[in-house]
Amino acid sequence: DIQMTQSPSSLSASVGDRVTITCRASQSINSDLHWYQQKPGKAPKLLIFAASTLQSGAPSRFSGSGSGTEFALTISSLQSEDFATYHCQQSFTSPWTFGQGTKVEIK
Amino acid sequence: QVQLQESGPGLVKPSETLSLTCAVSGYSISSGYYWGWIRQPPGKGLEWIGSIYHRGSTYFNPSLKSRLTMSVDMSKNQFSLNLTSVTAADTAVYYCAREYTNTQVAFDIWGQGTIVTVSS
Repeated sequence: DIQMTQSPSSLSASVGDRVTITCRASQSINSDLHWYQQKPGKAPKLLIFAASTLQSGAPSRFSGSGSGTEFALTISSLQSEDFATYHCQQSFTSPWTFGQGTKVEIK
Repeated sequence: QVQLQESGPGLVKPSETLSLTCAVSGYSISSGYYWGWIRQPPGKGLEWIGSIYHRGSTYFNPSLKSRLTMSVDMSKNQFSLNLTSVTAADTAVYYCAREYTNTQVAFDIWGQGTIVTVSS
């Protein structure tokens, strides 16, 4: 199985901060990487598809980048509603696998 | 809009079978898409369990394949999961979701999730 490793596991940031979360794959996955946002007690929500395509309705302050084994999710100016856990998921090879999640908390 | 809703027992005894159903509204399963199950153990990350097409073809996570069956009931517009011989390690929030496929596979619509505890 392809292992997905996110860093950091958690971070504290303030409203207005620029935040970057990274996701590393154990082998090259081209751009077959997706990002989800999950708020406490809620289901994950697809945020970015295929490494960099913002889902309809997602705020433009979110962006994704990367290919191969290294990927990043960037929030250009953190808002209060962005405090959540973010997960990456690869779809290069089944079984589809997720990172362990990165929790973004209020500083 | 498309909505998914999981249902099933919240408590299952060890060695028994976990059975969950996902009811789909706002879209007819017979029109297409793969439909999947994902779980999240307490305090842990997400794990893809398996997916089923409306015509019944399936593909599973090999780590669970020997204990897993899935089915579709188009008359009720729902799909189901059966996981046999459960242990405490199967305790998790179970989500059903629609697979969004555009040369790649992601999950674009999710149910709210249902908590399943395996305990005697």
